[in-house]
Amino acid sequence: QSALTQPPSASGSPGQSVTISCTGTSSDVGRYKYVSWYQLHPGKAPKLIIYEVSERPSGVPDRFSGSKSGNTAYLTVSGLQAEDEADYYCNSYASSNTYYVFGTGTKVTVL
Amino acid sequence: QVQLVESGGGVVQPGSSLRLSCAASGFSLGTYAMHWVRQAPGEGLEWVAVIWSDGSKQYYGDSVKGRFTVSRDSSKNTLYLQMNSLRAEDTAVYYCGREWTFRIDNWGQGTLVTVSP
Repeated sequence: QSALTQPPSASGSPGQSVTISCTGTSSDVGRYKYVSWYQLHPGKAPKLIIYEVSERPSGVPDRFSGSKSGNTAYLTVSGLQAEDEADYYCNSYASSNTYYVFGTGTKVTVL
Repeated sequence: QVQLVESGGGVVQPGSSLRLSCAASGFSLGTYAMHWVRQAPGEGLEWVAVIWSDGSKQYYGDSVKGRFTVSRDSSKNTLYLQMNSLRAEDTAVYYCGREWTFRIDNWGQGTLVTVSP
């Protein structure tokens, strides 16, 4: 069960966009549409912000968007705001035996 | 309103056991698969275990397989994680989460487990 690969950090100024990659394999990200993204603020519970590659739960701003190409998924945060500064993790279903795998995490800094 | 509240964390010695609980309210555990996910200090999220909605199957991450057991009590609407043979590397905040179609849509606030001599 190897973790999905994310860049350790990403940054942007308020109003700019930042895109985070999440690279897996043909056994997880590349095979299934069940890629999710979670936002973590220190001391708080993780929050689901994208599911099934590109779907947004109700209440999540449309500044957050997701996509996938081959074995890599992407999270884009447009119009960066101060409250977007957090850690972001991708996650993929990975078959009935392995079940789940998380990404290594990306710290987003709003400059 | 969906709520998940973990409890049972604490400081334990290597080799010992601990049982975590996750009390659910606002929904029935029997309707959803439930997960345990952990985050070690300064590290990323690590998936630990899942139990299916009907309780018929459980799956585990490689690092805990054979040592941890996930279970639930429908009468108490509570999820459990029995952790045996604890190691220093099991030190983490443990979260429980509710799954809906392979996404964890609700999370608890977490409970801290520290394994130290």
